[in-house]
Amino acid sequence: GGIITQTPKFLIGQEGQKLTLKCQQNFNHDTMYWYRQDSGKGLRLIYYSITENDLQKGDLSEGYDASREKKSSFSLTVTSAQKNEMAVFLCASRDRGQDTQYFGPGTRLLVL
Amino acid sequence: GEKVEQHESTLSVREGDSAVINCTYTDTASSYFPWYKQEAGKSLHFVIDIRSNVDRKQSQRLIVLLDKKAKRFSLHITATQPEDSAIYFCAVTNSAGNKLTFGIGTRVLVRP
Repeated sequence: GGIITQTPKFLIGQEGQKLTLKCQQNFNHDTMYWYRQDSGKGLRLIYYSITENDLQKGDLSEGYDASREKKSSFSLTVTSAQKNEMAVFLCASRDRGQDTQYFGPGTRLLVL
Repeated sequence: GEKVEQHESTLSVREGDSAVINCTYTDTASSYFPWYKQEAGKSLHFVIDIRSNVDRKQSQRLIVLLDKKAKRFSLHITATQPEDSAIYFCAVTNSAGNKLTFGIGTRVLVRP
């Protein structure tokens, strides 16, 4: 088995601030994903990466940057936090040739 | 791009009855259809999936039906128990198999 960890668990930011969320997986999976979950809107894909140093934009990439520094880690940066923004950011990973994605516990963001 | 519509936003059932959640999709090339469960305050975890080469799959009390002609698939939770109370998300993979599009989620409440 393996595990996905996301840090921090909770993130409180100020409007306009640059905020970075981190994700680590020890499954040795190739593909990693960042999703945003808003109440009533399901999950929307922000960025994904099929291997180290690869980046692919999802449907919601505007306002975000991502970085796949090594196979086990995938970071997401909110480039300029929006006032009153509240969402959960979920990281997931998937093994090559497999379909199932495994999710981390999430980072809850609140922007004051 | 692919669109997934999850038709029930909330579902309240009596313990022991069945709960049925319906989803429709747009891309006829889609071939993989997973379902995820999210319990209160937790992340998503995979519960069951179906591929386009079959029209029915069962795992214990969960049944998934797929109607490719109608581009519709459904999750049946039979003999519901209190621990089935959660939000359930349907999802569809793209033709390349590397991205999932999620429905907005159905909140299932199992009443005693």
